[in-house]
Amino acid sequence: GQQVMQIPQYQHVQEGEDFTTYCNSSTTLSNIQWYKQRPGGHPVFLIQLVKSGEVKKQKRLTFQFGEAKKNSSLHITATQTTDVGTYFCAGENDMRFGAGTRLTVKP
Amino acid sequence: GAGVSQSPRYKVTKRGQDVALRCDPISGHVSLYWYRQALGQGPEFLTYFNYEAQQDKSGLPNDRFSAERPEGSISTLTIQRTEQRDSAMYRCASSLEAASPLHFGNGTRLTVT
Repeated sequence: GQQVMQIPQYQHVQEGEDFTTYCNSSTTLSNIQWYKQRPGGHPVFLIQLVKSGEVKKQKRLTFQFGEAKKNSSLHITATQTTDVGTYFCAGENDMRFGAGTRLTVKP
Repeated sequence: GAGVSQSPRYKVTKRGQDVALRCDPISGHVSLYWYRQALGQGPEFLTYFNYEAQQDKSGLPNDRFSAERPEGSISTLTIQRTEQRDSAMYRCASSLEAASPLHFGNGTRLTVT
């Protein structure tokens, strides 16, 4: 299966600051999915991107799929303490996950 | 059911024992995945099924690990001759079809002493 790499591994922000995590694949992906895992919880589906260059928004979250369908990003505007958790990307039919970006938010 | 159900929630076993972890997916979901997740790490793919057919088992660490889904619904992940390094959270997820959004269960926390 493909390998997806995520950066950064950790991000600590002040509440109100923006946050971005990046997902990169060595191969072209048919689709990419993003998940959020709260501390002590299980991964929860956020969104799926399928089309080249696709951009989707969920309130303060903006998801992008690269033109070459090899990379993706998740941007959170004006973080809140409720955004704390680890954000994972996963791609292709076998749904292999990246290592995740752990976000902590200081009130 | 309403969600993916995994049992047991916690399992403590002695090294060398066999364990069987159960996953009951959402009714009607075609695809079922098994992952292992160490603390602070991402879910590590183990294997997945479409209906009863095991599509990919390349993530299984060694031949002590096996999985089955004989009737295309409930799945069992079996670990034979457990070792301490097998200790982890084992997660099951199901989806309506391959590459659809995954719905995760609460996991089974395995501890091998």
